[in-house]
Amino acid sequence: EDQVTQSPEALRLQEGESSSLNCSYTVSGLRGLFWYRQDPGKGPEFLFTLYSAGEEKEKERLKATLTKKESFLHITAPKPEDSATYLCAVHAPNQFYFGTGTSLTVIP
Amino acid sequence: EPEVTQTPSHQVTQMGQEVILRCVPISNHLYFYWYRQILGQKVEFLVSFYNNEISEKSEIFDDQFSVERPDGSNFTLKIRSTKLEDSAMYFCASSDRNYGYTFGSGTRLTVV
Repeated sequence: EDQVTQSPEALRLQEGESSSLNCSYTVSGLRGLFWYRQDPGKGPEFLFTLYSAGEEKEKERLKATLTKKESFLHITAPKPEDSATYLCAVHAPNQFYFGTGTSLTVIP
Repeated sequence: EPEVTQTPSHQVTQMGQEVILRCVPISNHLYFYWYRQILGQKVEFLVSFYNNEISEKSEIFDDQFSVERPDGSNFTLKIRSTKLEDSAMYFCASSDRNYGYTFGSGTRLTVV
C-alpha cells in the first residue's frame, strides 16, 4: 500500500500560470512532511518541512500547506527555472516514505 | 553554502563484490542518512544514524548493508556481495534536526 501519493504525475504550465501540486499520505504518527526539488541526475534539494496540520511555509514563489491527510505545494507565477521534479516525503516512526514526484515543466 | 559530499560519483562493480560508498556530511550536523533511487523509481529510505548507532532502518537495509562513521567526518555505506538489483543512485543526507535535510549529489552504482 502506498503511503505517499503525489498528483499530478506531470504538469505543464505557461510562465506566470499559477498552480498547485498535491501530496496525500496515509501514515500514522506523522513526524514531518518534507518537500524537495530534484533536478535530473542530482540529489533532492530541500524546500520545506511541515510538522502539524494548519502549518504553512513560503519561499519565493512556493508555498507549502499541510492538513491531516495531505499537503499542497502552491507555485505562484512560475518561471522556466522552476522546472524540476517536486518530491514529497513523509517521516513516520521507523520509516521515511517518498512519493514518486510531480514533474513540472514551465514553458516560457 | 555547506554541502554534503559523496564519492565516487560513479562506481561500477562486478556482481558479488563489495563496495563502499563514502559521504562527508555537513560538519555540524548530527544525523546522517542513506537513501537510494533506482532509475525511474521513487527515492527509498535505507537507514538513519545518530550518536554512532543506527536509529532507524527500512526493510531494504538487510544484512547485506552496513554503515559506519569511521572518523569525525566520514559516513560510509558498505554493500556486501552486490547484486544486479543494487544498481541505483545512492544519496547521503545529513541534518541538524532544526532545519531540513541536505542531500549529496549521489553515487551512481552500476552492478554488472
